[in-house]
Amino acid sequence: GEDVEQSLFLSVREGDSSVINCTYTDSSSTYLYWYKQEPGAGLQLLTYIFSNMDMKQDQRLTVLLNKKDKHLSLRIADTQTGDSAIYFCAESPSGANNLFFGTGTRLTVIP
Amino acid sequence: DTGVSQDPRHKITKRGQNVTFRCDPISEHNRLYWYRQTLGQGPEFLTYFQNEAQLEKSRLLSDRFSAERPKGSFSTLEIQRTEQGDSAMYLCASSGDRGPSYGYTFGSGTRLTVV
Repeated sequence: GEDVEQSLFLSVREGDSSVINCTYTDSSSTYLYWYKQEPGAGLQLLTYIFSNMDMKQDQRLTVLLNKKDKHLSLRIADTQTGDSAIYFCAESPSGANNLFFGTGTRLTVIP
Repeated sequence: DTGVSQDPRHKITKRGQNVTFRCDPISEHNRLYWYRQTLGQGPEFLTYFQNEAQLEKSRLLSDRFSAERPKGSFSTLEIQRTEQGDSAMYLCASSGDRGPSYGYTFGSGTRLTVV
């Protein structure tokens, strides 16, 4: 079955860049996603990347996709305290109606 | 339209009781999904509706769970004879015709605690 893995914790200083990594298993995944979850809240879609792309940039966010290694990363430039949250990587295998999520990476931004 | 709404936000119930949650999706979205999220985990898929038809159910959806979307708008998720293992955040999401392609919009969830 699908297995999406992420490291559990990441701490960075305010103003530094954060890089959150994810590996996935289903090579048929057409889209890959990054969601943000703040305490007690639902998930907010941050960005997604189509599988034929290597990189996508959206303001402070940069997504890199290495399809050969099934590796996805999210870089947050100039990390702010408001970026502290749990970040989930998710894949959408071809033909599937649902998303498969990783366990999430808790990002802590130190002022 | 303020997004996906879920009600209640929190529910505490005694083991063995029945509970029902409601989800109101974004009005123009015809696809609706239920997920369950336990502490320290990512969301896990439970079931999916396209309009009023329930098209997919995961094996996590035991026979104590039932979901409906009678008019293709709001949806309810009922859990009968709750167990402590049902304690989790229940998330609802909706999307348009292209399914998950551009990502779902999630609600804030209903946190269930079974005591």
